[in-house]
Amino acid sequence: RKEVEQDPGPFNVPEGATVAFNCTYSNSASQSFFWYRQDCRKEPKLLMSVYSSGNEDGRFTAQLNRASQYISLLIRDSKLSDSATYLCVVSPRSATNKLIFGTGTLLAVQP
Amino acid sequence: DADVTQTPRNRITKTGKRIMLECSQTKGHDRMYWYRQDPGLGLRLIYYSFDVKDINKGEISDGYSVSRQAQAKFSLSLESAIPNQTALYFCATSDLPGKRQETQYFGPGTRLLVL
Repeated sequence: RKEVEQDPGPFNVPEGATVAFNCTYSNSASQSFFWYRQDCRKEPKLLMSVYSSGNEDGRFTAQLNRASQYISLLIRDSKLSDSATYLCVVSPRSATNKLIFGTGTLLAVQP
Repeated sequence: DADVTQTPRNRITKTGKRIMLECSQTKGHDRMYWYRQDPGLGLRLIYYSFDVKDINKGEISDGYSVSRQAQAKFSLSLESAIPNQTALYFCATSDLPGKRQETQYFGPGTRLLVL
C-alpha cells in the first residue's frame, strides 16, 4: 500500500464548478499535511498547509480527518487557471521535515 | 530572479557517463533536498542535507551521490548513468526547523534523458 494515495483523475469540470479531492495516508503518526500544486512541466509549489481544525484560503478549503487518515481539498468556483495537478503531501515527523508525496490528482477546468 | 535555480535544465547523456546536476539557492535555508519525479510514481527523495557537510540518504539513493560544500549549493551526481535514471529531477530547500509547518521550495527541475 502506498503511503499517500490519491485518485489520479483526470477531473474534468466546467468553469464555476465545485470540485473536491481526497487523499489517504497510511502512517497514523503523520504530523504535517499539505497540498501542493504542480503545473505541467513545472515545479511543485505550496498551495496550502492543512490544519487539524480545517482551513480556508479564498476559494480553497482543506480538511483533515485524523481518525480516518484522510485529507481533502475543496475548490469552489473553479477557474481555468486552476487546471493543474494537485499533490497531497504528508510529513511523518516534523523534526526531519521529510515529505511523502502522493502521485497527484489532475484537474482540467473546461471553458 | 528565482530563489532556487538548477543547472542544466535539460540534459541528454549516454549510459555509463558521469553527470552532475547543480542546485543553488538564495533563500538562506540550511536544508536542501534532491527528488526525482517519474510518471505514476510521484516525487521520491534521493538525498537530503540539513547543513554544510551533512548528507543523508533518502528513499532511493542507490546510483546517486551528492555534495554540499556550501550552504547555498547542493549538487547531485550520477556516477555511471543508466536509462532508468531518466526522470525529472527537482532540488528543494526548506525553512528553519522548528516551525509548525515547514515549507519546501522547489527549483524549476532538470529533465534528464539517459540513452
